[in-house]
Amino acid sequence: GAGVSQSPRYKVAKRGQDVALRCDPISGHVSLFWYQQALGQGPEFLTYFQNEAQLDKSGLPSDRFFAERPEGSVSTLKIQRTQQEDSAVYLCASSFAGSGEQYFGPGTRLTVT
Amino acid sequence: KNEVEQSPQNLTAQEGEFITINCSYSVGISALHWLQQHPGGGIVSLFMLSSGKKKHGRLIATINIQEKHSSLHITASHPRDSAVYICAAYTGANSKLTFGKGITLSVRP
Repeated sequence: GAGVSQSPRYKVAKRGQDVALRCDPISGHVSLFWYQQALGQGPEFLTYFQNEAQLDKSGLPSDRFFAERPEGSVSTLKIQRTQQEDSAVYLCASSFAGSGEQYFGPGTRLTVT
Repeated sequence: KNEVEQSPQNLTAQEGEFITINCSYSVGISALHWLQQHPGGGIVSLFMLSSGKKKHGRLIATINIQEKHSSLHITASHPRDSAVYICAAYTGANSKLTFGKGITLSVRP
């Protein structure tokens, strides 16, 4: 079946704009993860959902970041009042169970100008 | 100090060489992922292992839980193996993955 998909693949936002990034996990995958990858760095954990419940949001860098997964499938990561330091690739991953193998989407490259 | 460290940071090899990429971690883990990322591309999971050794084609991954160390070996390397290789450890209670910075491998023809 289809893998994890993310949209848009590229997003350019002016400083101060709000953005919404979408993740479609693999059908049937219970767990969904968001990661942020700065240029030249490894990804860093942002938040984790099990079905519609957000079990861990300890990695969200500020209250400008908000994630939801209202029906336990598609998830949206929203960043309000974007700043230049938010420029990064945002990766979504899903897994059948919490500690199972994670399958990654292609990422959304966000550039804040 | 990062919880997950990788070495070397950059690696260049000649086609056909045997390559080893190392990963060490400083915390207790339940499992470790080896991931591959091509420039501008997404991340592909190569292995997930919690003990011993796994093999897939020309790739072999090993882990030593006592020594908190894992290695990824590539036999008969090929230019198409050029990519960033990232190890990531499951740490903590909530399935959180902690990533190394990744190693950039270039295989010359």
